[in-house]
Amino acid sequence: AQSVSQHNHHVILSEAASLELGCNYSYGGTVNLFWYVQYPGQHLQLLLKYFSGDPLVKGIKGFEAEFIKSKFSFNLRKPSVQWSDTAEYFCAVISNRDDKIIFGKGTRLHILP
Amino acid sequence: DSGVTQTPKHLITATGQRVTLRCSPRSGDLSVYWYQQSLDQGLQFLIQYYNGEERAKGNILERFSAQQFPDLHSELNLSSLELGDSALYFCASSPGTGGEYNEQFFGPGTRLTVL
Repeated sequence: AQSVSQHNHHVILSEAASLELGCNYSYGGTVNLFWYVQYPGQHLQLLLKYFSGDPLVKGIKGFEAEFIKSKFSFNLRKPSVQWSDTAEYFCAVISNRDDKIIFGKGTRLHILP
Repeated sequence: DSGVTQTPKHLITATGQRVTLRCSPRSGDLSVYWYQQSLDQGLQFLIQYYNGEERAKGNILERFSAQQFPDLHSELNLSSLELGDSALYFCASSPGTGGEYNEQFFGPGTRLTVL
């Protein structure tokens, strides 16, 4: 079955630490990939997206993600996190075969000031 | 502000009751999606409509139904409510389907509490 796995359910970091959140998917064929962020009490907002082209994608707020097709991965990175990055992060994948979007279970990121 | 609106923001009701959640997509978007977010299940895709027609179905219970109207707004109907239906219900919209038309914009959500 198609699935999206986010390996880290809860991550705690200090400010200025580097961040990498893992996302792996199990789809065949062409996929579109997304990272969404949900700040406390708010709705989901798009951080970045990959449709085609350069596999290194830059998003808002200093985030980036790299699509590695051979590893079925789309990991999210940020070199230096801030307290305001405290949020829940969701990876999502759409297969061009059926247009169904599947979200990972999310990673709660807590940044210590 | 994503441009997607949802009403009401909060809803408190009793078990066995029926409620309707409403969503207005971004101007020009043809696709509407419904999601349920709870602490134990995470974010679950329920159903998608595209230009008035059901496009894709996820983990939607038979007690739940949805529709998209000619003006493209959508309603999610939840009936015979159970305590476990308490959750945040999000609506999202996208320009269409396929490729970049799949990028979804989320509304602020409706928090449903079933007592």
